[in-house]
Amino acid sequence: EDQVTQSPEALRLQEGESSSLNCSYTVSGLRGLFWYRQDPGKGPEFLFTLYSAGEEKEKERLKATLTKKESFLHITAPKPEDSATYLCAVPGGSYIPTFGRGTSLIVHP
Amino acid sequence: NAGVTQTPKFQVLKTGQSMTLQCAQDMNHNSMYWYRQDPGMGLRLIYYSASEGTTDKGEVPNGYNVSRLNKREFSLRLESAAPSQTSVYFCASSEEVWQGRNTIYFGEGSWLTVV
Repeated sequence: EDQVTQSPEALRLQEGESSSLNCSYTVSGLRGLFWYRQDPGKGPEFLFTLYSAGEEKEKERLKATLTKKESFLHITAPKPEDSATYLCAVPGGSYIPTFGRGTSLIVHP
Repeated sequence: NAGVTQTPKFQVLKTGQSMTLQCAQDMNHNSMYWYRQDPGMGLRLIYYSASEGTTDKGEVPNGYNVSRLNKREFSLRLESAAPSQTSVYFCASSEEVWQGRNTIYFGEGSWLTVV
């Protein structure tokens, strides 16, 4: 069974304190790994897609990396506006992404 | 540049009532989806439509029906609402579900409470 596990469930940081979120997956035949950001009361907003081990993508203070079994979302010098829930998703055998439960990030000023 | 539009945004239903959530996308996508999101459960797929004229069950289809009205529109119907269907519902779309590069784009959500 395809599974996607995110850790930690919640993360509190001080402004400027860098950290990483983890997404581990067990699927047969990786067809990409997706990262989304979700603000309270909103729908998930697409951030990145990674397709092969070793691939990296960056957007402002966010950098996503991919290995054969997991992905990391690195947040460098976060600001309060980076506070959100971050979701990762991996397409399984059906080609439709299975989502993790998310990491809720709060960045304190 | 609307993307995926859902209506209504908020709805309160009594147990046993029926209702339809409407969804439309303007990105010329072939595939559309309905998810529900519950605390601690993450996003779970209810139904999807790979292309116009087709629909398939997802992980949690019981109690729901869908209609792919045309390429743009995909509706979700609750025939007899139950308190367990209290949730946030998201419609989404992508270019083509069977493609390897299948980025899904979401609407803003519909908050449904069944009392």
